[in-house]
Amino acid sequence: EVQLVESGGGLVKPGGSLRLSCAASGFTFSSLTLNWLRQAPGKGLEWLSSISTSGSYISYAASVKGRFTISRDNAQSSLFLQMNSLRAEDAAVYYCATVPVIPESWYFDLWGRGTLVTVSS
Amino acid sequence: DIRMTQSPSTLSASVGDRVTITCRSSQNISKWLAWYQQKPGTAPKVLIYKASALESGVPSRFSGSGSGTEFTLTISSLQPDDFVDYFCQQYNRSPWTFGQGTKVEIK
Repeated sequence: EVQLVESGGGLVKPGGSLRLSCAASGFTFSSLTLNWLRQAPGKGLEWLSSISTSGSYISYAASVKGRFTISRDNAQSSLFLQMNSLRAEDAAVYYCATVPVIPESWYFDLWGRGTLVTVSS
Repeated sequence: DIRMTQSPSTLSASVGDRVTITCRSSQNISKWLAWYQQKPGTAPKVLIYKASALESGVPSRFSGSGSGTEFTLTISSLQPDDFVDYFCQQYNRSPWTFGQGTKVEIK
């Protein structure tokens, strides 16, 4: 079965850190660009970061640049998001997602179920 | 950043109705627009990409149109499973941005 499964969410204090993971199965992980997105409770969706197949090209949203770091391990079919200096406004469900291999297709066609991050003292 | 504005925020309709959701972008995004459906407690699912292309496996009652700055998602005959949230997303220019969502509720 083709799927993405996130883990690593939880409760963290403001200023704290958390590392999210996304395990992939059922497809050739190394051939797809991977992304992290989030959705605050009752709110819309926000793209956070992308990483290319080899990890050579990485981009971030301004809201997380300098605090979050995306990485991947193609041998383990895993994607990661290291989150530092967490703020209350970072509380959300975090999703990993793929984009199609079709050029210029930056829409998200496979999503995980998400992992909840709560930031509170 | 490109701002995406959806309307209405909430849409009340009945089973069998034809409904239309509009998404406007703050800049010309050509046809680089996707529509998603999100059921409570689950991840979004892509319905339409490139403004009007139907994702594989998506029922044909869903259709998309538009280009430039104005786009629409039409559901030709609402089914009980369709009373959920819908989002648009532009992918013309990074950062990829989403509309705030439209909730389709039962009248």
